Parts: sequence; C-alpha cells; structure tokens
Amino acid sequence: DAGITQSPRHKVTETGTPVTLRCHQTENHRYMYWYRQDPGHGLRLIHYSYGVKDTDKGEVSDGYSVSRSKTEDFLLTLESATSSQTSVYFCAISAAGPNTEAFFGQGTRLTVV
Amino acid sequence: GQQVMQIPQYQHVQEGEDFTTYCNSSTTLSNIQWYKQRPGGHPVFLIQLVKSGEVKKQKRLTFQFGEAKKNSSLHITATQTTDVGTYFCAGLYGGSQGNLIFGKGTKLSVKP
Repeated sequence: DAGITQSPRHKVTETGTPVTLRCHQTENHRYMYWYRQDPGHGLRLIHYSYGVKDTDKGEVSDGYSVSRSKTEDFLLTLESATSSQTSVYFCAISAAGPNTEAFFGQGTRLTVV
Repeated sequence: GQQVMQIPQYQHVQEGEDFTTYCNSSTTLSNIQWYKQRPGGHPVFLIQLVKSGEVKKQKRLTFQFGEAKKNSSLHITATQTTDVGTYFCAGLYGGSQGNLIFGKGTKLSVKP
C-alpha cells in the first residue's frame, strides 16, 4: 500500500463543533484529494490540492475547508459540523493529477451527533 | 452536469458465474479508471483505459472502453469469493487537469 495515513480513523463529534481530519503521505505526490463516501452516492470529491498552498473546490465543498502547508500533509476542516456531514472520508494521492492512478488512505469514519 | 451512470447497483452471483458492470456517460470521456473496494476497505486502483475501443485484461478481468469513449465495462469470468466487493468506474472529463467523476459502484456478492 502507498504511504498514506489518515487520522483519526474514527471520530464522534457533536453538531456545531469544529473538526479537522488529517492526511499524511510519504510518497511525495503532488496531488492530494479529499472524498466523502455515502451509501447510494459513491465517492464525491470535496477539495483537492495540486501543490503546497494550491487548493481548489470539488463537487461537494460547502461546509468544508482545506489547507496544505507541506507537501506531505493535507488537512480537511469542518468549521461547524452538521449531521449531514456524517460520512466516511477518504484521502487520496496521485503523482500527476486526475489522469493518473490514485492511491487511497484507509478512511476516517466521522459521526456527527 | 457531468455524471457517470453505473449499473447494476448490486449483483449476486454463484461462484463460477460471470459478472459484468457497465458505466455510461452522456459526454465523451478523456479516460476511465476502475477501482475495487473490499468490504470495510478503501478503493484500490485496478486499471486505466485511454484509447477508443481499448480492451485490457488482468487474469479473469476484462476491461473495455467504448469506441465513442462514452461507455466502459468490467467483466469477470468465473467469479471467486475473493472477487467480493464494490467496483467503481471513474470517468475523467476535460483532460489531464479535468474532473474525475466516480460512478456509484456495483456491489458484487459471490455465493460459494
């Protein structure tokens, strides 16, 4: 498996609280992505990064922000968690963009109560 | 908008039977990727198809990309219990810096 570590792996949080998920890679890949996976929806892109401090929105970015201050770390923040953000979150990396193989992390299961 | 339709949503087969999942797009794709996700696991890349009419094989798995680059299929011959999982296609729109859109997946169960 590619060197991708997501933390935490599981989290339960209360509505209205901020939450930060971390993705750490050891592959020195340029591109990093955050997806959410929900039953009946497959994988949907939240935000992605194409370099340090270079990020852009995906198809479901509302309520989320990201930061990438180092090549190896990509943080996803839920500013004020809502129950609709209960999901499994996957980080992915790729060497040269969406037209190349993506490697996924193990996922973070987030429950907002 | 850009959307990749994948069917069927579920497929239950007896071990040894064949399995096929299909992906369709209303607009031309730059390429298509296929991923497999085991129960409780994360998606794992299987293959990427780029050329019109391309066919690639990996042991019992055969991947096809349509002539118009709007559809693709994954066929598994003689399924085994190790094939259990959800298979996703992901279509790329707009070239190397475009949008990769995942289908909703086909969940395969195999009865021994």
